[in-house]
Amino acid sequence: GQQVMQIPQYQHVQEGEDFTTYCNSSTTLSNIQWYKQRPGGHPVFLIQLVKSGEVKKQKRLTFQFGEAKKNSSLHITATQTTDVGTYFCIKSNFGNEKLTFGTGTRLTIIP
Amino acid sequence: DAGITQSPRHKVTETGTPVTLRCHQTENHRYMYWYRQDPGHGLRLIHYSYGVKDTDKGEVSDGYSVSRSKTEDFLLTLESATSSQTSVYFCAISDGGVGTDTQYFGPGTRLTVL
Repeated sequence: GQQVMQIPQYQHVQEGEDFTTYCNSSTTLSNIQWYKQRPGGHPVFLIQLVKSGEVKKQKRLTFQFGEAKKNSSLHITATQTTDVGTYFCIKSNFGNEKLTFGTGTRLTIIP
Repeated sequence: DAGITQSPRHKVTETGTPVTLRCHQTENHRYMYWYRQDPGHGLRLIHYSYGVKDTDKGEVSDGYSVSRSKTEDFLLTLESATSSQTSVYFCAISDGGVGTDTQYFGPGTRLTVL
């Protein structure tokens, strides 16, 4: 299976600044899921996007699925120290039961 | 957190020895997965199961075997451990189909092969 590159791999932001991570695919996706993993912890589900152009919000987090269903983004507004961790996307393709994890974006917050 | 436990949580073993990791769930979910996580590679799927005695290979299945004799248990076996299998292993479960439903992850097992 081919891994999905997420960009950036690492991001250091000042507390209060915004943060965005992107997940890109060369093929059309059936859906995409986002997970967060705190340092030393396990991945925890955040959201699933299914529809073209879909936008979902969870407090300061905004998730977007591209119109062509080939890319997705996660944007955090006004970061807080609790946002520290690695954010992963998981993609699945139509008719393909193999999941592909993104390599993740590690977010560090500078207080 | 969903009812998923992994055992052992930490293990140190020597090259060439067999190792079995256990994943146990109390959610009665149909699908179970084994991943490994390594720096620079993120999470990679080793094997998954879509029912009792029904399993399939993932992206990095070489050197690993699995078994699922009961809904609640999914075992990952390294027949002859190698240093390249030093990693953190996560089990996950889902109720819906692969790629269509939320996955709930266990706490992980840190395996070191010397």
